[in-house]
Amino acid sequence: AQSVTQPDIHITVSEGASLELRCNYSYGATPYLFWYVQSPGQGLQLLLKYFSGDTLVQGIKGFEAEFKRSQSSFNLRKPSVHWSDAAEYFCAVGSTQGGSEKLVFGKGTKLTVNP
Amino acid sequence: NAGVTQTPKFQVLKTGQSMTLQCAQDMNHEYMSWYRQDPGMGLRLIHYSVGAGITDQGEVPNGYNVSRSTTEDFPLRLLSAAPSQTSVYFCASGPQGNAEAFFGQGTRLTVV
Repeated sequence: AQSVTQPDIHITVSEGASLELRCNYSYGATPYLFWYVQSPGQGLQLLLKYFSGDTLVQGIKGFEAEFKRSQSSFNLRKPSVHWSDAAEYFCAVGSTQGGSEKLVFGKGTKLTVNP
Repeated sequence: NAGVTQTPKFQVLKTGQSMTLQCAQDMNHEYMSWYRQDPGMGLRLIHYSVGAGITDQGEVPNGYNVSRSTTEDFPLRLLSAAPSQTSVYFCASGPQGNAEAFFGQGTRLTVV
């Protein structure tokens, strides 16, 4: 069965510092990977996705993620964090057909940004 | 430009009551799904559908029913609410193939 692990429940960074959120997945075939962000009281917004091709994926709001098959990882990065990035971040893996109908999510990482 | 619309946004139920959470999408997506979000648990799949007339169970289906009579709508029914069903419920839709899911704003349900 597929699974996603986000090892860090809560991360605090200072505004302007770099950020890396970790995501490890367990999946038998080529995974379809997503990062979503959730602001308090809101739904989930897609930051970026990986299906195939270039392993470094660019997303919205200055985020990027790198797919590393050898490490079963899909870590999210941002070079300089803004206060508005404070939110909860979820990594997810999709079904074998690449569809989004049954995503498996990690438990999330809450990001706090200090001024 | 509605996307995925969930109603109601908030609901309080008494134990044993039934209700239906509504979900509608206007993007003509084949796939629709229901998730519940509990603190520290991430999102867990309840039921999903790959097209009108086709539904299947996810990770946590007990206590919930779904049907998909149209492409646009995917209601979630709680047959007899229990306090363990207190949660935030999210509906999502997506097209076939390599694509992401689009989420609604959620329904916060409290069962007392």
